[in-house]
Amino acid sequence: GAVVSQHPSWVICKSGTSVKIECRSLDFQATTMFWYRQFPKQSLMLMATSNEGSKATYEQGVEKDKFLINHASLTLSTLTVTSAHPEDSSFYICSVRGPTGSGNTIYFGEGSWLTVV
Amino acid sequence: GENVEQHPSTLSVQEGDSAVIKCTYSDSASNYFPWYKQELGKRPQLIIDIRSNVGEKKDQRIAVTLNKTAKHFSLHITETQPEDSAVYFCAASTGSGNTPLVFGKGTRLSVIA
Repeated sequence: GAVVSQHPSWVICKSGTSVKIECRSLDFQATTMFWYRQFPKQSLMLMATSNEGSKATYEQGVEKDKFLINHASLTLSTLTVTSAHPEDSSFYICSVRGPTGSGNTIYFGEGSWLTVV
Repeated sequence: GENVEQHPSTLSVQEGDSAVIKCTYSDSASNYFPWYKQELGKRPQLIIDIRSNVGEKKDQRIAVTLNKTAKHFSLHITETQPEDSAVYFCAASTGSGNTPLVFGKGTRLSVIA
């Protein structure tokens, strides 16, 4: 069954509005979650590392004020794309490292397709 | 930080032939190397992984080899089938709790029937 759940799967929003994407760890607590962005025909690019109870760590070139990450609990991280623009249209996907004893397995959410019109 | 290079970017093979995709990494501390298959619009699916304490791992038609000295690892798919057509990504990580996977740029594999 699913280990990581991501919602919504698809979202269309107008330019200038904000969109929130949720990533939930279903079977275990996750102090760290990772957010990736994937443009068409490109690889998964790490945006930020979400840390429960503390500030996210953003990769170089990712605007922290535009991509707000909140990891308020051990099972939920949210990514909010603020003041969205068409160039923010992309596939956003979260991942979680499995619990101790699962090896280094990384679990991915289903991903969220964002289209900004 | 870690940098992962993947080649080739596209690969076409005849059904039944073998396909090989190669990756190199830069961080000698990396010790976990998974391979993912991704179909359009879907999440990456783990197909095989290898850890730094082994040099080769096989699962039916899929195998992965790792050369830690040279910092490269490869995916081998034998007896390819049309349903193997997808984009494949290699990745590397140090494996600790708060370190992410770093992905290669992907290889689009087309298996021609």
